[in-house]
Amino acid sequence: EAQVTQNPRYLITVTGKKLTVTCSQNMNHEYMSWYRQDPGLGLRQIYYSMNVEVTDKGDVPEGYKVSRKEKRNFPLILESPSPNQTSLYFCASSYGAAGTGELFFGEGSRLTVL
Amino acid sequence: KQEVTQIPAALSVPEGENLVLNCSFTDSAIYNLQWFRQDPGKGLTSLLLIQSSQREQTSGRLNASLDKSSGRSTLYIAASQPGDSATYLCAVIRTTTDSWGKFQFGAGTQVVVTP
Repeated sequence: EAQVTQNPRYLITVTGKKLTVTCSQNMNHEYMSWYRQDPGLGLRQIYYSMNVEVTDKGDVPEGYKVSRKEKRNFPLILESPSPNQTSLYFCASSYGAAGTGELFFGEGSRLTVL
Repeated sequence: KQEVTQIPAALSVPEGENLVLNCSFTDSAIYNLQWFRQDPGKGLTSLLLIQSSQREQTSGRLNASLDKSSGRSTLYIAASQPGDSATYLCAVIRTTTDSWGKFQFGAGTQVVVTP
């Protein structure tokens, strides 16, 4: 089954404790991206990647890091999480170059930073 | 910067009525526009993708139109059903080199279809 898998789905952590949210897709997509969704602010893009070893900032990259060492994986790293990073996070991938094809989303990861 | 607006923010209709959802964007230099559905606590599911060269796309009861010159897209859902209750979002991707790969989403329209 074609899918985008995120882990963990739910996480409660404390300020400053590094964490990684993994994202994996099995569709051989070149484009992958991360978003956060907050009430009243909608869905905002954090980082995206158009190919292995190629990553770029979205609209809200501060406090986040990403890496793309393999085509199927695109982890989101919070080096020192803060309460304002409490949010619902989504990973997505697309078959089109630069994300110009249909966008497939994961189920989301709800993160709470205390 | 590209701004994407969806009005209304919420909509409630009786079953069987047609739904009309609006999406407007400020910059007409878009590559394509996608409509998504999001159920509570779930990820987004792509419904329709319209290339900038197209005027509309259809899938079953769904029809989406695109007017780049006026910066508008409309999603029509015919003969609504309670199962259509969800939040509907639109997103655009721009063609300019500094925006390649960047998505801008609208805040969504929350739809409730009552039996």
